[in-house]
Amino acid sequence: GENVEQHPSTLSVQEGDSAVIKCTYSDSASNYFPWYKQELGKGPQLIIDIRSNVGEKKDQRIAVTLNKTAKHFSLHITETQPEDSAVYFCAATTNTNAGKSTFGDGTTLTVKP
Amino acid sequence: SAVISQKPSRDICQRGTSLTIQCQVDSQVTMMFWYRQQPGQSLTLIATANQGSEATYESGFVIDKFPISRPNLTFSTLTVSNMSPEDSSIYLCSVAQGAGNTIYFGEGSWLTVV
Repeated sequence: GENVEQHPSTLSVQEGDSAVIKCTYSDSASNYFPWYKQELGKGPQLIIDIRSNVGEKKDQRIAVTLNKTAKHFSLHITETQPEDSAVYFCAATTNTNAGKSTFGDGTTLTVKP
Repeated sequence: SAVISQKPSRDICQRGTSLTIQCQVDSQVTMMFWYRQQPGQSLTLIATANQGSEATYESGFVIDKFPISRPNLTFSTLTVSNMSPEDSSIYLCSVAQGAGNTIYFGEGSWLTVV
């Protein structure tokens, strides 16, 4: 089955700096890669996703890049703000297992004001 | 995106009892799922809730412990049976929506078993 590794497990940055979280996956059939933000006491919130037919996607301060050859994808947050502090999860899934995502272990991001 | 409501949001349960969690979606969805998130851990898929038929369980999860119902395309329930402290977790309802099967989560049901 699919295996997703996520690094780092914790990340601390100064407000205004950039943050990068990386994930690798094992199943070359995976073609959908969402990222979720989970704040304390809340469920995971989809913040951005990318499909295998594109290499990069951007939404304001958030971007995701995908390298299918190397089987890794990354989340980039620029101009970080204290409200970006949360746990971030990456996931990978395939069309044949639509909805049955395999998740990384999560990254706890702390943005210091 | 789908709006997913879960009840209860939190509960404290006695060991040996059972609790049913409800998931209501504001639109019809083909696929609904139940995940478990143990304290400080990642998300693990329990089962796919199939409309009108038995749920499909992942390895390590069984119907006797986690019976699931899905009577229609907008509603599902998950029961956690004969609870022990090890069942203390967040239980999350999830749906796949749209042509690309984008996956959304509810706010979760936070269960503590004492």
